[in-house]
Amino acid sequence: EAEVAQSPRYKITEKSQAVAFWCDPISGHATLYWYRQILGQGPELLVQFQDESVVDDSQLPKDRFSAERLKGVDSTLKIQPAELGDSAMYLCASSYRGHERGTQYFGPGTRLLVL
Amino acid sequence: AQTVTQSQPEMSVQEAETVTLSCTYDTSESNYYLFWYKQPPSRQMILVIRQEAYKQQNATENRFSVNFQKAAKSFSLKISDSQLGDTAMYFCASLQGAQKLVFGQGTRLTINP
Repeated sequence: EAEVAQSPRYKITEKSQAVAFWCDPISGHATLYWYRQILGQGPELLVQFQDESVVDDSQLPKDRFSAERLKGVDSTLKIQPAELGDSAMYLCASSYRGHERGTQYFGPGTRLLVL
Repeated sequence: AQTVTQSQPEMSVQEAETVTLSCTYDTSESNYYLFWYKQPPSRQMILVIRQEAYKQQNATENRFSVNFQKAAKSFSLKISDSQLGDTAMYFCASLQGAQKLVFGQGTRLTINP
């Protein structure tokens, strides 16, 4: 069964350093999402792509976060510089335009710890 | 803004019992989708069940079923014959408009042997 791939699974960094996360959605899924999940809470959307275009980045802290999906397939989320408050799980999800509209499939996540 | 509320931070039941998780949501849309996702400890989030608002019939997936009360904006999840593998965080989520999924705060469910 096709799955959303993410790497790395874990990342430890020091504050003020740059970090990057990668996501490869399920083949054929045009919509890709990045979420941030603080421990014990529900995920919150950071950015949503439709193919290579950003649909919603209203909750993305644009002074330090950036996201791209250049060819409309895989995507990278970057934080520069990282802050202590960025410690969280970063989840990637994808969905398909068609049947089961709206259903999002999640990757395993990248757990970030900023020291 | 759409909101999703899960009023039970934690629940615990014995194996084989039935448990119901509560969820309420807020929306001004006429058509929307509701979901229950499961996140086991240190594992990825997976879809448990989905409900389309225009369908009156409650969705069912094996031991999982929902009680969808549209007028009350309530969407509870019932797990029958609970199993140890059902231990997880459960998130209720609402999807409206341009595919933006909004999650509740989650309910931590523990199934005891």
